[in-house]
Amino acid sequence: AQTVTQSQPEMSVQEAETVTLSCTYDTSESNYYLFWYKQPPSRQMILVIRQEAYKQQNATENRFSVNFQKAAKSFSLKISDSQLGDTAMYFCASVQGAQKLVFGQGTRLTINP
Amino acid sequence: GAVVSQHPSRVICKSGTSVKIECRSLDFQATTMFWYRQFPKQSLMLMATSNEGSKATYEQGVEKDKFLINHASLTLSTLTVTSAHPEDSSFYICSAPLAGALYTQYFGPGTRLTVL
Repeated sequence: AQTVTQSQPEMSVQEAETVTLSCTYDTSESNYYLFWYKQPPSRQMILVIRQEAYKQQNATENRFSVNFQKAAKSFSLKISDSQLGDTAMYFCASVQGAQKLVFGQGTRLTINP
Repeated sequence: GAVVSQHPSRVICKSGTSVKIECRSLDFQATTMFWYRQFPKQSLMLMATSNEGSKATYEQGVEKDKFLINHASLTLSTLTVTSAHPEDSSFYICSAPLAGALYTQYFGPGTRLTVL
């Protein structure tokens, strides 16, 4: 069974700083996908970034990038030039194909002005 | 991007009544949809997998007779909370995977259920 662990319940940084959220996972599958989702106060789950496990290149989406370490089963999210609108709960998740997502516990990120 | 809607966004009902929540994939078809429950400040807890044209698959500990799921078409899944009680009050979220996007799951905006 897949498991996802986020060891940082809360983080807080100043606006414009860079912040890294940690995530580790465990799976016996060779093909899987990894995601970071953001849940702002509206509670709408929003896709931040995704990574295919068989691709070695780290995914990037504007200010968001990941550090995917397959051997270590680590999938951290880096947010550069953080903005007030980045304040949200962030969930790391993994999935195999069209199967159910497995979520981490979440990290509450606060960006301070 | 793919859009998933949920209706209603909020519902208040009396104890003992039933409530239906709809989840629709607006611009793509989904043979599978997922239903989650989320308590305040916690992660999403998967309740069941909704399968178009067949029975839903429930997670361990979820009462299938209490949380009825119907996936009648490729764009619609419904969750009915039967004989609701105050402990069923929660935030319910649905999602649907998009096959052409690495099976990325797109989420509905959620439904807040309050049972009085």
